[in-house]
Amino acid sequence: EIVLTQSPGTLSLSPGETATLSCRASQSVSSSYLAWYQQKPGQAPRLLIYGASSRATGIPDRFSGSGSGTDFTLTISRLEPEDFAVYYCQQYGSSPPWSFGQGTKLEIK
Amino acid sequence: QVQLVQSGAVVKKPGSSVKVSCKTSGASFSNYAISWVRQAPGQGLEWVGGILPIFGKPNYAQKFQGRVTITTDESTSTAYMDLSSLRSEDTAVFYCARGLSPFDWLSPFNYWGQGTLVTVSS
Repeated sequence: EIVLTQSPGTLSLSPGETATLSCRASQSVSSSYLAWYQQKPGQAPRLLIYGASSRATGIPDRFSGSGSGTDFTLTISRLEPEDFAVYYCQQYGSSPPWSFGQGTKLEIK
Repeated sequence: QVQLVQSGAVVKKPGSSVKVSCKTSGASFSNYAISWVRQAPGQGLEWVGGILPIFGKPNYAQKFQGRVTITTDESTSTAYMDLSSLRSEDTAVFYCARGLSPFDWLSPFNYWGQGTLVTVSS
């Protein structure tokens, strides 16, 4: 099973700044089957990025994903107040089980 | 418009079972994978298992093997998750989620249900 480790655990930034979130896999994620989700309190997760770098429908271009193999990054430019939430990476490649990272909490500084 | 609507919150006793439903709207229920994801209070997301109805055979995370059963009823476009031998650590919100691409297991979760809180308490 692929283990995903996200860093940092918590990121404190101000609106307008750029957030850089990391996701590292214990082994290579095949064909960049790596997704990012945003979750706000009391809500279900929302798909942001899939295939490491493709934005899901309706996701602003402030959100971008990059990386391959074992190292992936989610970048959020020009932070808006609604961007402060918890972010999870997920791998869905090769075969089950799919796994999630432990999450990065993005909080307002 | 795709929607996933789950059954309501339940309280169960340790050792009992729970069955959570996930009714989907929108076309082509059989063609999209449905997964179940657990989230304990204040914790992260954990994949429980899933099924691509057109292929029929479910897959389960090893941690839940032997305790979980995922089924579907294509006549009502509903997926079910049955979890047995409940313990206090199973207290969590369970989400169903649908894959982005048809006929593809290797698909991220594009649509999510609202979540069902399962509380295990004596």
